[in-house]
Amino acid sequence: DAGITQSPRHKVTETGTPVTLRCHQTENHRYMYWYRQDPGHGLRLIHYSYGVKDTDKGEVSDGYSVSRSKTEDFLLTLESATSSQTSVYFCAISRTSGLHEQYFGPGTRLTVT
Amino acid sequence: DQQVKQNSPSLSVQEGRISILNCDYTNSMFDYFLWYKKYPAEGPTFLISISSIKDKNEDGRFTVFLNKSAKHLSLHIVPSQPGDSAVYFCAAPGGFGNTGKLIFGQGTTLQVKP
Repeated sequence: DAGITQSPRHKVTETGTPVTLRCHQTENHRYMYWYRQDPGHGLRLIHYSYGVKDTDKGEVSDGYSVSRSKTEDFLLTLESATSSQTSVYFCAISRTSGLHEQYFGPGTRLTVT
Repeated sequence: DQQVKQNSPSLSVQEGRISILNCDYTNSMFDYFLWYKKYPAEGPTFLISISSIKDKNEDGRFTVFLNKSAKHLSLHIVPSQPGDSAVYFCAAPGGFGNTGKLIFGQGTTLQVKP
């Protein structure tokens, strides 16, 4: 158990509304990641963070923003949700800088109607 | 451009037999590979990895083989158990620098029948 929680676990929202997903870790790890999982695509990286206030884009960052004001929290925001953002979102952490073994949270299922 | 590919969306095997899950990659610069397992409604969990300096890594019932010349890796599960039924993803580190970013394949759903 990597001490990662995600909230909410499920959310239904309407097109055009803002949505924020939260990832919280209890182990003080530097690296945190947001992925989305879609059928036929596996997991795709949205944004990642390598420290407080240090973030960068991933493979599918359009329409998403992130913030990390504390080591333990990494927020993913959809400024104006679209139906194409219906997905399952996973947060992950790396336990040690430079190592690739990431540990994932339980996921948030987001439906945009 | 899909740099990590799992071309078989699903695989069904009988309990006790071998399961072989395949993964191909296109980037010859990849030097480390990982396999993750995912049950429904849960996050992926790390299963096993292999460095490009090796061609085999074994952990209990799980063995990963790497063929660098073919840009191919495979995960063998022997013997397969019903509890192994899950989605399996292969992954490789992508991007420059030590960011830990991973590129995942599309996943293969394994069903182990009792």
